[in-house]
Amino acid sequence: RKEVEQDPGPFNVPEGATVAFNCTYSNSASQSFFWYRQDCRKEPKLLMSVYSSGNEDGRFTAQLNRASQYISLLIRDSKLSDSATYLCVVIPNQAGTALIFGKGTTLSVSS
Amino acid sequence: DVKVTQSSRYLVKRTGEKVFLECVQDMDHENMFWYRQDPGLGLRLIYFSYDVKMKEKGDIPEGYSVSREKKERFSLILESASTNQTSMYLCASSFRYGYTFGSGTRLTVV
Repeated sequence: RKEVEQDPGPFNVPEGATVAFNCTYSNSASQSFFWYRQDCRKEPKLLMSVYSSGNEDGRFTAQLNRASQYISLLIRDSKLSDSATYLCVVIPNQAGTALIFGKGTTLSVSS
Repeated sequence: DVKVTQSSRYLVKRTGEKVFLECVQDMDHENMFWYRQDPGLGLRLIYFSYDVKMKEKGDIPEGYSVSREKKERFSLILESASTNQTSMYLCASSFRYGYTFGSGTRLTVV
């Protein structure tokens, strides 16, 4: 089983749609979880951290389910500018350990 | 803002050449990383370093080495470049959970 797995998509949605991405991780001892965003031919950038209690940043909501070892990202009211690849990222144990990336889910928002 | 600078945006090298990819960060971060990114394979960790002169192998270290003589600089070395090392190379630095990536070096080996 791969460490971090994501549905690669692509997800093609119209503007205004709500879209959800899921990600599963294999190491139950994993400590920290993130969603990164990567635009075409650009470097990944942190979108948001994921906490057990769930967290929201504007139109974006992230959830963590430790029992089932999955992470989700919900995007409401999609904008054209949300088109990108979304990377699920896990830190296996402690701070300073290298990030483990999923292969990413591609989102395309159209007008 | 933390800045991570990679010396070259695009690079073309010949098979068998020794290649140096340089990465410099300006925020005194202890941790630095080299990844490569390929279509369908995602980002894969090559090497990382927790401190000066320290290095740890990642998932795909074969064919690569690294050097960290100063805290701010982490170099990736391809001892003898091969065509299967054609890729996008991304450097990152971090303090605790704050990771910042450089803009990447797209290396083509011909």
